[in-house]
Amino acid sequence: SQKIEQNSEALNIQEGKTATLTCNYTNYSPAYLQWYRQDPGRGPVFLLLIRENEKEKRKERLKVTFDTTLKQSLFHITASQPADSATYLCALEHTNAGKSTFGDGTTLTVKP
Amino acid sequence: NAGVTQTPKFQVLKTGQSMTLQCAQDMNHNSMYWYRQDPGMGLRLIYYSASEGTTDKGEVPNGYNVSRLNKREFSLRLESAAPSQTSVYFCASRPEIWGTEAFFGQGTRLTVV
Repeated sequence: SQKIEQNSEALNIQEGKTATLTCNYTNYSPAYLQWYRQDPGRGPVFLLLIRENEKEKRKERLKVTFDTTLKQSLFHITASQPADSATYLCALEHTNAGKSTFGDGTTLTVKP
Repeated sequence: NAGVTQTPKFQVLKTGQSMTLQCAQDMNHNSMYWYRQDPGMGLRLIYYSASEGTTDKGEVPNGYNVSRLNKREFSLRLESAAPSQTSVYFCASRPEIWGTEAFFGQGTRLTVV
């Protein structure tokens, strides 16, 4: 069956370090993958989208990689700040599927 | 722009009661979605509407019905609420059916006792 795993339910790092979150999937051939941020009591907010033919994408302090051979995406936050503390969700979608499947999320805590 | 607006924000129901969750978007998006999120878990798709006039089942449609009233509005109905439907419900919209980012509402926290 199809499965998405965001390993480490929780990740704690020191301010200024790089946070690296992982999204692994099995039995998928996603056309693209998205990352969202969710704060407690709020809806998810879109961060980045990367397509299957793209290896890497950047936006300010954020970087996403997508390895379709390893079936893995890495999400990096460089120079992390306490304000980056939140839950981060990855979502996969097949071509023309019209719907995304979400992972369970990783909760990041950045300590001052 | 308000984005995606959900009402109500909180609701407590008794087992067997019915209710409708409302969702409206003002971004002229074609596609709309209903998800539920249980504690410590990701989002699970209940129903979606690729465009006005169409609806399709997601992963967990049992116990729910939807109506795409017009391009702006997509409602979710619980006909006979059960404790297993206690969850946070999110509505989302996006410009096209695939390849685009989704915009989420603030959520409706529903408790069924």
